[in-house]
Amino acid sequence: SAVISQKPSRDICQRGTSLTIQCQVDSQVTMMFWYRQQPGQSLTLIATANQGSEATYESGFVIDKFPISRPNLTFSTLTVSNMSPEDSSIYLCSVPTSGATGELFFGEGSRLTVL
Amino acid sequence: QQPVQSPQAVILREGEDAVINCSSSKALYSVHWYRQKHGEAPVFLMILLKGGEQKGHDKISASFNEKKQQSSLYLTASQLSYSGTYFCGTERPNQGGKLIFGQGTELSVKP
Repeated sequence: SAVISQKPSRDICQRGTSLTIQCQVDSQVTMMFWYRQQPGQSLTLIATANQGSEATYESGFVIDKFPISRPNLTFSTLTVSNMSPEDSSIYLCSVPTSGATGELFFGEGSRLTVL
Repeated sequence: QQPVQSPQAVILREGEDAVINCSSSKALYSVHWYRQKHGEAPVFLMILLKGGEQKGHDKISASFNEKKQQSSLYLTASQLSYSGTYFCGTERPNQGGKLIFGQGTELSVKP
């Protein structure tokens, strides 16, 4: 299992500002994933944060809008840039347990509201 | 390609059974099932890795029909604690860990 801590747990932001979300894992992991969950919706993969290389973004998500850092094997950040009300969502960090196929552990999420 | 879940929502009385289906238009490599309670993180239930596989623990089980590209989650003798939104997630070949989730099925168990 893995223990994942996300900060902030929630925030209210003004349009046009940027916010950085932190994800700390209690063990070293190769891959970390960032998901977005819009209100009442499913989970959508934003990107994979790989240590030592650039993040891999999914279709519809770009680095300028969602820059990701992965300085080591236990930590990652996701920045939501130039926010608009459409960015109001829960952003979740997740890590696989072991190997390439396995269960995902999710952080509690960061609930962002953009006014 | 997002898998399609049905039904979108279901209301049960305690002790009743439910089936949640997950289907894909693309070949399924594996199927994951998660439950998310309101305001909480999704929690892993089980993975089915190959066609014909069935798994279960407690009174929640699942099957995976590779040929039909679908999976079903079975909840028997439902308990109040089963309430939540259930998501199936499908994994792309050679992209371990990257899940595409269905739209979710909201399950409410009433006393």
